[in-house]
Amino acid sequence: EAQVTQNPRYLITVTGKKLTVTCSQNMNHEYMSWYRQDPGLGLRQIYYSMNVEVTDKGDVPEGYKVSRKEKRNFPLILESPSPNQTSLYFCASSAGRGRNEKLFFGSGTQLSVL
Amino acid sequence: GEDVEQSLFLSVREGDSSVINCTYTDSSSTYLYWYKQEPGAGLQLLTYIFSNMDMKQDQRLTVLLNKKDKHLSLRIADTQTGDSAIYFCAETPPYSSASKIIFGSGTRLSIRP
Repeated sequence: EAQVTQNPRYLITVTGKKLTVTCSQNMNHEYMSWYRQDPGLGLRQIYYSMNVEVTDKGDVPEGYKVSRKEKRNFPLILESPSPNQTSLYFCASSAGRGRNEKLFFGSGTQLSVL
Repeated sequence: GEDVEQSLFLSVREGDSSVINCTYTDSSSTYLYWYKQEPGAGLQLLTYIFSNMDMKQDQRLTVLLNKKDKHLSLRIADTQTGDSAIYFCAETPPYSSASKIIFGSGTRLSIRP
């Protein structure tokens, strides 16, 4: 089954404790992206990757890191989480660079930073 | 810059039609989308429309595009309880690929019995 898998689904942590949210897709997609969803703000892009070893900042990259060492995986790293990073995070992927590319989303990771 | 705006909430009676509205600022956008987010899940593409079209129909869904007013709407006929979700309008700016898709804030549709 074609899917984007994120782990964990829920995470509670404390300020400053490094964490990683994993994302994996099994569709051989070139493009992957991370979004955060906050009430009233919709989805805002954090980072995206057009291919292996190619990453770029989205609209709200501060406090986040990503890596794309393999095509299927695109982990989101919070080196020193802060309470304002409490949010619902989504990973997404699509096949390529076309203008009309359907995005496939993971089920989300609810992060709480205390 | 580009912006996509939607009202946050809509409540309709089961069996009625739902109309979810969206305005966007980039008049040269080529593709406009509607995504659906069910509780506890990620977004799923419902439908999309190319900017040279005025209307697109797919079963119970009708998308209307008014380019002059930069207004996009999604009509759901015979609304059912399974249609309860958050609906996101999105656009792709003309100078970029799907990597720069811009989402609205989402409209939460709730269904009254």
